[in-house]
Amino acid sequence: NAGVTQTPKFRVLKTGQSMTLLCAQDMNHEYMYWYRQDPGMGLRLIHYSVGEGTTAKGEVPDGYNVSRLKKQNFLLGLESAAPSQTSVYFCASSDRGGKYEQYFGPGTRLTVT
Amino acid sequence: GENVEQHPSTLSVQEGDSAVIKCTYSDSASNYFPWYKQELGKGPQLIIDIRSNVGEKKDQRIAVTLNKTAKHFSLHITETQPEDSAVYFCAASELRDMRFGAGTRLTVKP
Repeated sequence: NAGVTQTPKFRVLKTGQSMTLLCAQDMNHEYMYWYRQDPGMGLRLIHYSVGEGTTAKGEVPDGYNVSRLKKQNFLLGLESAAPSQTSVYFCASSDRGGKYEQYFGPGTRLTVT
Repeated sequence: GENVEQHPSTLSVQEGDSAVIKCTYSDSASNYFPWYKQELGKGPQLIIDIRSNVGEKKDQRIAVTLNKTAKHFSLHITETQPEDSAVYFCAASELRDMRFGAGTRLTVKP
């Protein structure tokens, strides 16, 4: 099993550009999450999904959109990138929700200039 | 919402010594408390977790204690080894929303 994979690993964007980060998991997990990690701030939840076709806002959702068209995939979109969105983005999945282990991907380092 | 504070932000110990990392949380409804280890360039990985109906849990050199009354929980690593060097995150969860602490960078000197 590959577990949780993320594409791309690195990306540099100019302010105002758009992009989509792809997360895929092969563990048949219902729950999927997108976090951002900034120095000194830990991991902050952007959006999450409790099943195919569902999405919900997390702690810091502004400027991001998500979609979960297939159970195994969770997409994070930035419509108009801003320098404040420079961060490392992690996707995670879980079998049974917030009270159980989350499996993390390797991360995507995004720089917005 | 839940707020998790973690201390210290950096910790340096000699190989073989013990390391302790402490976290406090604000939401008394939280009942699941995992600890994650993040090595350089990788995603976090669960190393141990504890639920609110348990006061202490051990797994070899790693232990976690929970004080629900005081709303704090701690990670204890004994006989530290260089491969324990990493960033450690605590988290607290009530149902769907898991909140993480800011992280502790542990360095174990050979």
